[in-house]
Amino acid sequence: EAQVTQNPRYLITVTGKKLTVTCSQNMNHEYMSWYRQDPGLGLRQIYYSMNVEVTDKGDVPEGYKVSRKEKRNFPLILESPSPNQTSLYFCASSSSGTDSYEQYFGPGTRLTVT
Amino acid sequence: AQKVTQAQTEISVVEKEDVTLDCVYETRDTTYYLFWYKQPPSGELVFLIRRNSFDEQNEISGRYSWNFQKSTSSFNFTITASQVVDSAVYFCALSEGGFQKLVFGTGTRLLVSP
Repeated sequence: EAQVTQNPRYLITVTGKKLTVTCSQNMNHEYMSWYRQDPGLGLRQIYYSMNVEVTDKGDVPEGYKVSRKEKRNFPLILESPSPNQTSLYFCASSSSGTDSYEQYFGPGTRLTVT
Repeated sequence: AQKVTQAQTEISVVEKEDVTLDCVYETRDTTYYLFWYKQPPSGELVFLIRRNSFDEQNEISGRYSWNFQKSTSSFNFTITASQVVDSAVYFCALSEGGFQKLVFGTGTRLLVSP
């Protein structure tokens, strides 16, 4: 089954404690992205990756890091989380083929930083 | 710059009523894609439709229909004979040609009561 998986699905942590949210897709997609969803703001892109070792900032990259060492994985790293990073995070992937403008979303990770 | 506006924050209807969710977009590109996603209370994002800028035909899928009008930069979504299961947050999104990024509206929460 084609899917994007994220782990963990729920995470409560404290300010300053480094964490990683993993994202993996099994569709051999080139493009992967991270979004955060906040009330009243919709979803905003954090980082995206065009392919292995190619990443770039989205609209709200401050406080986040990403890496793309393998095509299927695109982890989101918060090296020193702060309460304003409490949010619902979605990973997405898409291909460079004819359906490249449809993004497949993971189930979401709800992060709370206290 | 691209922008998506969903002016309706929340809509409440009674089951079997028809309801239209508005979406207005801004883009300078001539090639772009428009999307609608549904986010039920469980939190995942469910893809509903994708429409490219060269295809202005309206589309109907069961109780769902979409009206794309380039002249008014709108891509409205109508649910006919609404049901309680339609209760969700609905997002309209825009992707410009060549960019692997979705710009989302702030969403419209639809509440359908029995």
